[in-house]
Amino acid sequence: DAGVIQSPRHEVTEMGQEVTLRCKPISGHNSLFWYRQTMMRGLELLIYFNNNVPIDDSGMPEDRFSAKMPNASFSTLKIQPSEPRDSAVYFCASSLARNEKLFFGSGTQLSVL
Amino acid sequence: GNSVTQMEGPVTLSEEAFLTINCTYTATGYPSLFWYVQYPGEGLQLLLKATKADDKGSNKGFEATYRKETTSFHLEKGSVQVSDSAVYFCALSGQGAQKLVFGQGTRLTINP
Repeated sequence: DAGVIQSPRHEVTEMGQEVTLRCKPISGHNSLFWYRQTMMRGLELLIYFNNNVPIDDSGMPEDRFSAKMPNASFSTLKIQPSEPRDSAVYFCASSLARNEKLFFGSGTQLSVL
Repeated sequence: GNSVTQMEGPVTLSEEAFLTINCTYTATGYPSLFWYVQYPGEGLQLLLKATKADDKGSNKGFEATYRKETTSFHLEKGSVQVSDSAVYFCALSGQGAQKLVFGQGTRLTINP
């Protein structure tokens, strides 16, 4: 199995631009999670899906952030417009529903200038 | 709400030294407890877990015991190697809940 696949690995953009991060979960996994990691705040859960349905988006910082999961094999996290304080590593993770072991992707390093 | 507090890093040890990374938690009910490890440039990987009081999780020479009386889940290893250098995260999931709450992480560096 290829594991959780995220793209791009690195993204550098200018303030105000739209950013789209992509994730392909492990085949057969029913749950998908988006996390953000920064030095100041550590690892924060932004949103998670079960069976493609958003269950808890209370961690999404503001309306500039949105996430979708149109099917079981693909999810996106979009930031529009981006701001320098959004700079972080964004991780996607997947798991079998109700199985607590998470499998993480390698992350997307986002830099907003 | 649920929370996890980890020993602040960074921690630097010599090869073959004994390792302890402290972790305490606050939660209602009976959470499951985890240690995840993050190697440079990679995502987190599950290292070990314990799902009830007095359980001991173990993997790759690492151990942690679920202590309900002290609300702790300290990570230990008897003899560390250079390859253990990474960031270690303690985490919990509330009873019946799916999402994990992570501690701040502890960066460990092992010198040869």
